[in-house]
Amino acid sequence: EAQVTQNPRYLITVTGKKLTVTCSQNMNHEYMSWYRQDPGLGLRQIYYSMNVEVTDKGDVPEGYKVSRKEKRNFPLILESPSPNQTSLYFCASSYILAEYNEQFFGPGTRLTVL
Amino acid sequence: RKEVEQDPGPFNVPEGATVAFNCTYSNSASQSFFWYRQDCRKEPKLLMSVYSSGNEDGRFTAQLNRASQYISLLIRDSKLSDSATYLCVVKALRNNDMRFGAGTRLTVKP
Repeated sequence: EAQVTQNPRYLITVTGKKLTVTCSQNMNHEYMSWYRQDPGLGLRQIYYSMNVEVTDKGDVPEGYKVSRKEKRNFPLILESPSPNQTSLYFCASSYILAEYNEQFFGPGTRLTVL
Repeated sequence: RKEVEQDPGPFNVPEGATVAFNCTYSNSASQSFFWYRQDCRKEPKLLMSVYSSGNEDGRFTAQLNRASQYISLLIRDSKLSDSATYLCVVKALRNNDMRFGAGTRLTVKP
């Protein structure tokens, strides 16, 4: 089954404790992206990757890191989480060489930073 | 000003009603347009792409007005299962950059 998976789905942590949210896709997509979703603000892009070893900042990259060592994986790293990073996070992937390419989303990770 | 603006709703309609959502976007370089559907606490999923000539998929009709930078979604004969949040999405080809509206919430009641 074609899908994007994320882990963990739910996480409660404390300020300053490093964490990683994994994302994996099995559709051989070049493009992967991380978003956060907050009430009233919609989906905002954190980082994206156009292909292996190619990553770039989105609109809200502060406090986050990513890596793209393999095509299928795109982990999101919070080196020192803070309460303002409490949010719902989505990973997404798609092909890039298409005008109407669908983005496929993972199921989401609900993060609470105390 | 937000890049993609939608009426947040909520829209509360009875089954069988016709409901329309509107969306405006600010970036004239936007080249592709979509409506995504998001159920409560779930991930967004593509509902339909929006083409320049307008397009229809069953009970759903999408329209695009590039001159006014305006997109619409019409749902006819609403079903209970249509209850969800509808996200307007615009894309610029550069960097595959997709911009999401905050969503319009629809509740269809019996």
